[in-house]
Amino acid sequence: AQSVTQLGSHVSVSEGALVLLRCNYSSSVPPYLFWYVQYPNQGLQLLLKYTSAATLVKGINGFEAEFKKSETSFHLTKPSAHMSDAAEYFCAVTGGSQGNLIFGKGTKLSVKP
Amino acid sequence: DTGVSQDPRHKITKRGQNVTFRCDPISEHNRLYWYRQTLGQGPEFLTYFQNEAQLEKSRLLSDRFSAERPKGSFSTLEIQRTEQGDSAMYLCASSSRRGATISNTEAFFGQGTRLTVV
Repeated sequence: AQSVTQLGSHVSVSEGALVLLRCNYSSSVPPYLFWYVQYPNQGLQLLLKYTSAATLVKGINGFEAEFKKSETSFHLTKPSAHMSDAAEYFCAVTGGSQGNLIFGKGTKLSVKP
Repeated sequence: DTGVSQDPRHKITKRGQNVTFRCDPISEHNRLYWYRQTLGQGPEFLTYFQNEAQLEKSRLLSDRFSAERPKGSFSTLEIQRTEQGDSAMYLCASSSRRGATISNTEAFFGQGTRLTVV
């Protein structure tokens, strides 16, 4: 069965610092992996997705993630944090045959001025 | 595309009442998903429609929950005899135009309906 684990429920960085949000997955088949962002009282917006093309995936708002099969990881990074990046971030893997997503518990990112 | 629309955005109801939520997916998206998100958790899958057919239901979808998607367009999620444990954000997502593969296509989410049962 597929699952994802996000390490760290809260991450705090200073504006301009590197953002690193960790995600490890478990999958019995080659996974399709996603990162979504959620602002307060809003739905989820796709940041990027891995679909077995390139292992380094670039997304919106300067985010990128690297798929590492040997480490079963798909960590999300951004070189320089902006105040507007403060939100909750969810890693997800495609679950059953119908394309439903299995989400991690989320990591809340705070950005200090 | 105008995006996925959900109505209402907020709903407060008394325990034991029935509630119904509506989701309008992106036009021509044939796949529609409902998720539930409780505080501090990621969304959890509830059910899936392909066109008008409900093809998968999670064990989270108790007998008090029912979902429909008549004519393969909008969808409704009804909760009967609400309980305080039903308080959550209910999210709808749609994906895939016809013919696209299923597993790697992006799911577009609505803004959700926040249900509070008092």
